Amino acid sequence: DGGITQSPKYLFRKEGQNVTLSCEQNLNHDAMYWYRQDPGQGLRLIYYSQIVNDFQKGDIAEGYSVSREKKESFPLTVTSAQKNPTAFYLCASGQAARYNSPLHFGNGTRLTVT
Amino acid sequence: AQTVTQSQPEMSVQEAETVTLSCTYDTSESDYYLFWYKQPPSRQMILVIRQEAYKQQNATENRFSVNFQKAAKSFSLKISDSQLGDAAMYFCAYRSPVLAGKLIFGQGTTLQVKP
Repeated sequence: DGGITQSPKYLFRKEGQNVTLSCEQNLNHDAMYWYRQDPGQGLRLIYYSQIVNDFQKGDIAEGYSVSREKKESFPLTVTSAQKNPTAFYLCASGQAARYNSPLHFGNGTRLTVT
Repeated sequence: AQTVTQSQPEMSVQEAETVTLSCTYDTSESDYYLFWYKQPPSRQMILVIRQEAYKQQNATENRFSVNFQKAAKSFSLKISDSQLGDAAMYFCAYRSPVLAGKLIFGQGTTLQVKP
């Protein structure tokens, strides 16, 4: 079955370390997205990519970086510059030009930085 | 800028009863799409229902239906015959071509279902 795989489910890091969250999809979707979820704030967009080798900043991109070298993969790096990295991170994918179609989400990664 | 607002942080309903979750949005566009997602304790995001702005008919999916009021920019979700498995956080979301396919989410409403 097609879907989106995020790994790991839980991630623990020390402050000052960079960490990379994995997101892989086999839905043949062109577009991929990273969202951050904090209590009481809904989901906020970090970065998105509509095509391989191209990506754009979302609303809260500071302290994060991404790459899109393959259609299937969109890893997110949380750098030491991110002031408050502890959060739940969700990756999503969708058909770039079919806006009536929903985004599909992975199961998320809970990142804890101490 | 497009915004989505869910003004009810928490709601509760008795099992088998009906509950309505509110959502309003702000946009100047005419072509857009609205969605309700459910996030149970597992935190998996599950699509509940979708609505195209150009369609006047309200969408329905089994026990879930929407009341789409385009002029009022309102998109409420009605859950009929509530079940214990409906307990979750519900997010209203907006998507449009102008936003390059991004989903804009409301803050979410936590629904409690009482047995």
